[in-house]
Amino acid sequence: GGIITQTPKFLIGQEGQKLTLKCQQNFNHDTMYWYRQDSGKGLRLIYYSITENDLQKGDLSEGYDASREKKSSFSLTVTSAQKNEMAVFLCASSIEGTDSAETLYFGSGTRLTVL
Amino acid sequence: GNSVTQMQGQVTLSEEEFLFINCTYSTTGYPTLFWYVQYPGEGPQLLLKVTTANNKGSSRGFEATYDKGTTSFHLQKASVQESDSAVYYCVLTGGYKVVFGSGTRLLVSP
Repeated sequence: GGIITQTPKFLIGQEGQKLTLKCQQNFNHDTMYWYRQDSGKGLRLIYYSITENDLQKGDLSEGYDASREKKSSFSLTVTSAQKNEMAVFLCASSIEGTDSAETLYFGSGTRLTVL
Repeated sequence: GNSVTQMQGQVTLSEEEFLFINCTYSTTGYPTLFWYVQYPGEGPQLLLKVTTANNKGSSRGFEATYDKGTTSFHLQKASVQESDSAVYYCVLTGGYKVVFGSGTRLLVSP
């Protein structure tokens, strides 16, 4: 088995601040994802990466940057935090490329609060 | 593009009642369909998966059938338990994009 670890679990920032969320996986999966979860709206894809140093934009990438410097880690940066983006950010990984219908394994999330 | 619709925001049941969660989808391809379950404080986890090859999936007493005619993928369970209380997501994959429904919160009272 494996695990996805997201840090921090809770992140509090000021409006306009640059904030970074981190994700580590020990599944040795190729593909990693960042999703944003808003109450009652399901999950929306921010970025994904099919291999080390690869980055692909999802539907919600504006206002975010991502980095995949190692196969096991994928970080997400909120470039300028806004109050309307308080949400839970979920990291996930899957074993094959994104064209295949493989299971996503999720971390437990980072809850972002913007003051 | 692909889309998934879950009309029920919340379902409230008593233990041992029958569960039915509605999901319909729209796609131009041959998708694989999933149900994920999310317990409080955790990320979503796979409940079951169905492809066009097998049409039906089951796990932990839950069942879902892939109906191409009605483009539906409803989730059912004959007798729910309090421990089934969670948010259930219908999910579609077709190409790289994994599309999540808005989720249905199930509350089961003892």
